[in-house]
Amino acid sequence: KAGVTQTPRYLIKTRGQQVTLSCSPISGHRSVSWYQQTPGQGLQFLFEYFSETQRNKGNFPGRFSGRQFSNSRSEMNVSTLELGDSALYLCASSLAASGRRETQYFGPGTRLLVL
Amino acid sequence: AQSVTQLDSHVSVSEGTPVLLRCNYSSSYSPSLFWYVQHPNKGLQLLLKYTSAATLVKGINGFEAEFKKSETSFHLTKPSAHMSDAAEYFCVVSDRNAGNMLTFGGGTRLMVKP
Repeated sequence: KAGVTQTPRYLIKTRGQQVTLSCSPISGHRSVSWYQQTPGQGLQFLFEYFSETQRNKGNFPGRFSGRQFSNSRSEMNVSTLELGDSALYLCASSLAASGRRETQYFGPGTRLLVL
Repeated sequence: AQSVTQLDSHVSVSEGTPVLLRCNYSSSYSPSLFWYVQHPNKGLQLLLKYTSAATLVKGINGFEAEFKKSETSFHLTKPSAHMSDAAEYFCVVSDRNAGNMLTFGGGTRLMVKP
């Protein structure tokens, strides 16, 4: 079974631009979560989607948004990019709904550099 | 609220010697606990997880961890380090009220000397 895939793998943007990252979960998985990894803040939870609904949200500004499609694929969008948004963005998928604490499987990440 | 503290940011061992990576957690409810490993420029791979069954959990690649509620600890061990174990390790907690939200520790970078 194919793992979690993320596209693109690398991205360079300039301040003020916006970016869209994509995540395809493992087949059959309906929950998709997003995390930001930076050297200073470590790994932080952004949001979780299940059945096209946002189920949980971390402590990030409204510039960070996401959505999930009927096939469980998810996108996250960051508008008005800032230098501090440079990070590795990781997507994770799991089988069940929030609350059951299923194992989450991570993709390889998208490395975003904001200049 | 849930939180995780990894007590060592860097651990260095010689190949063939035991590995101990320390983790303490805080959780309002019965937690699930995980250890993930991240090799350079790679995503996170699950090593093992505890979800209120046996307190001694065996994972992949010879790693194991013991859940100690009285000490709120979940330390990761391996009897004999291999060069390929060099990576960053994350202790992770998720409690009943957090849904699928994972809270990560700061990570421990494991270095293995030949």
